[in-house]
Amino acid sequence: DAGVIQSPRHEVTEMGQEVTLRCKPISGHDYLFWYRQTMMRGLELLIYFNNNVPIDDSGMPEDRFSAKMPNASFSTLKIQPSEPRDSAVYFCASSNGTGGYEQYFGPGTRLTVT
Amino acid sequence: GNSVTQMEGPVTLSEEAFLTINCTYTATGYPSLFWYVQYPGEGLQLLLKATKADDKGSNKGFEATYRKETTSFHLEKGSVQVSDSAVYFCALSRSGGFKTIFGAGTRLFVKA
Repeated sequence: DAGVIQSPRHEVTEMGQEVTLRCKPISGHDYLFWYRQTMMRGLELLIYFNNNVPIDDSGMPEDRFSAKMPNASFSTLKIQPSEPRDSAVYFCASSNGTGGYEQYFGPGTRLTVT
Repeated sequence: GNSVTQMEGPVTLSEEAFLTINCTYTATGYPSLFWYVQYPGEGLQLLLKATKADDKGSNKGFEATYRKETTSFHLEKGSVQVSDSAVYFCALSRSGGFKTIFGAGTRLFVKA
């Protein structure tokens, strides 16, 4: 079975540019999570969806960040405009809400904003 | 609120040494507890879990027992290998509240 798929794996962009990160969850999973990981702050939950509906976006750092899930097999995380402090690894994870709510993580997108 | 506290790293061990990584939690009710592992350049992956008190999760030689009386879920392995070098995250989730709370992570280095 294919796991969670994220693209691109690496993104280098200049400050002020728009960045779009993409995620395809595991088929049949109805929960999707976006996380950000940095050395300074560790792993942070940004937002999560259930059945394509955003449930909790309290971790989204500011209005420059937005996330959508137009259907059960695709989600995007957009940063506009990007800033150097957005440099991090962004993970997408999905879950089917069973097994105590264990999550399956994608390989991550390493974002560098110069 | 809910929280997870795990021992700070890095932890450096020689191959075949015994490993313990401490994890304690704060939560109301009966959370599920997890250990996730992150190998270099990869996402987190579930290592083991326990969904109720006194349960023991185990996988790949790692074990952890859900201790409600001490609110702990310590990770142990009897004999570590170089390939176990990774970052280990303790985590909890509450039924009905889907957000998973992760600890800060403990980096393990195993020397040959």
